Amino acid sequence: GAVVSQHPSRVICKSGTSVKIECRSLDFQATTMFWYRQFPKKSLMLMATSNEGSKATYEQGVEKDKFLINHASLTLSTLTVTSAHPEDSSFYICSARGRDGRHPYEQYFGPGTRLTVT
Amino acid sequence: GENVEQHPSTLSVQEGDSAVIKCTYSDSASNYFPWYKQELGKRPQLIIDIRSNVGEKKDQRIAVTLNKTAKHFSLHITETQPEDSAVYFCAASRNSGYALNFGKGTSLLVTP
Repeated sequence: GAVVSQHPSRVICKSGTSVKIECRSLDFQATTMFWYRQFPKKSLMLMATSNEGSKATYEQGVEKDKFLINHASLTLSTLTVTSAHPEDSSFYICSARGRDGRHPYEQYFGPGTRLTVT
Repeated sequence: GENVEQHPSTLSVQEGDSAVIKCTYSDSASNYFPWYKQELGKRPQLIIDIRSNVGEKKDQRIAVTLNKTAKHFSLHITETQPEDSAVYFCAASRNSGYALNFGKGTSLLVTP
């Protein structure tokens, strides 16, 4: 299967600061990347869909100015949480979908990033 | 948009018994239905998926059935083992490029 990495795996930051999370597809080119947020013992909530070279599409209720998504290349998407607050503390997971047609539907998930805002 | 309902939210079975998790979806255009297993603090792992052109798929102890008319699909795990304990999520989506819509998850506990 394809490999997706995320960095950092864990981050603690102070309220008001910004945090950048990277999502990389290591052995395939990802035309589409998705960002999810997961609260403890809850399901994955889609935040935004990111297509390479174009603006991300945000889900209803997700503030695009707070959660900045950049998908500058076919192997990298970043999520920046700006002016983080304690309520932004969560588990953020990205996933990537390939372009070569071998797995046109399947999403490959990153290992997640645990963000704690103090 | 798509709405995926999943039941039960928790399921406890004895080792060796079968476990069944059911999901319904609302978007008749959905045609891809994966199931993920997630252990605490880890990424979701795809365990099986089914596309709308088939009604059933099996992989060793795991099987998935799909009823497109009724818009529901189910995960069946036979001969459960303690290591099957995890949270299982169903999902649905349309063609490539669309996001997955997840159910709320089922916490499965298999007791020895």
